[in-house]
Amino acid sequence: AQKVTQAQTEISVVEKEDVTLDCVYETRDTTYYLFWYKQPPSGELVFLIRRNSFDEQNEISGRYSWNFQKSTSSFNFTITASQVVDSAVYFCALSVNSGTASKLTFGTGTRLQVTL
Amino acid sequence: DGGITQSPKYLFRKEGQNVTLSCEQNLNHDAMYWYRQDPGQGLRLIYYSQIVNDFQKGDIAEGYSVSREKKESFPLTVTSAQKNPTAFYLCASSTHQDSQPYGYTFGSGTRLTVV
Repeated sequence: AQKVTQAQTEISVVEKEDVTLDCVYETRDTTYYLFWYKQPPSGELVFLIRRNSFDEQNEISGRYSWNFQKSTSSFNFTITASQVVDSAVYFCALSVNSGTASKLTFGTGTRLQVTL
Repeated sequence: DGGITQSPKYLFRKEGQNVTLSCEQNLNHDAMYWYRQDPGQGLRLIYYSQIVNDFQKGDIAEGYSVSREKKESFPLTVTSAQKNPTAFYLCASSTHQDSQPYGYTFGSGTRLTVV
């Protein structure tokens, strides 16, 4: 069975601060995929990144960066110079293939509050 | 624009009633999913479907039913057997390229409240 742990329930930062959201996962599969999603107050999940288990390269996209470390089963997400618009709930998720479907196992989410 | 449409956005159900949540996608994705979200919890998988006329139970299927008669549509029925149906329901779809999950997209959700 798969498991995703997001130990940080809620984080509050002041605008322009850097913030890291932690994600630890468990799976016995050697091929798996990790995701981050953003959920603004409207409720819709916005895709941020997908990473497969064979690619441990870190990735940067604008103010967002992700650090994938298989040795510690972690896939952490950093927002640099946070902005008020970053306020949302962020979910880390894990998927292993099952035929042509990919069931996602989600963490419980981290609520990020960015204030002026 | 391609995407997933869920309706209605808000739904109120009386005790003992069945209700059906709609999910339509025009992304030509093969697989579709239903997730349930409760406050302070992550999303949990209710049902999923890999192809038309086929679907499988997820982790919390009791009290729910689905159908997949068309590739584009995957409606979810919340039956009276579901003891605590008040939640936020999200529909998703996905496709695959080179055996990798690709294009995993979510709808905007339906908030169901039992009154």
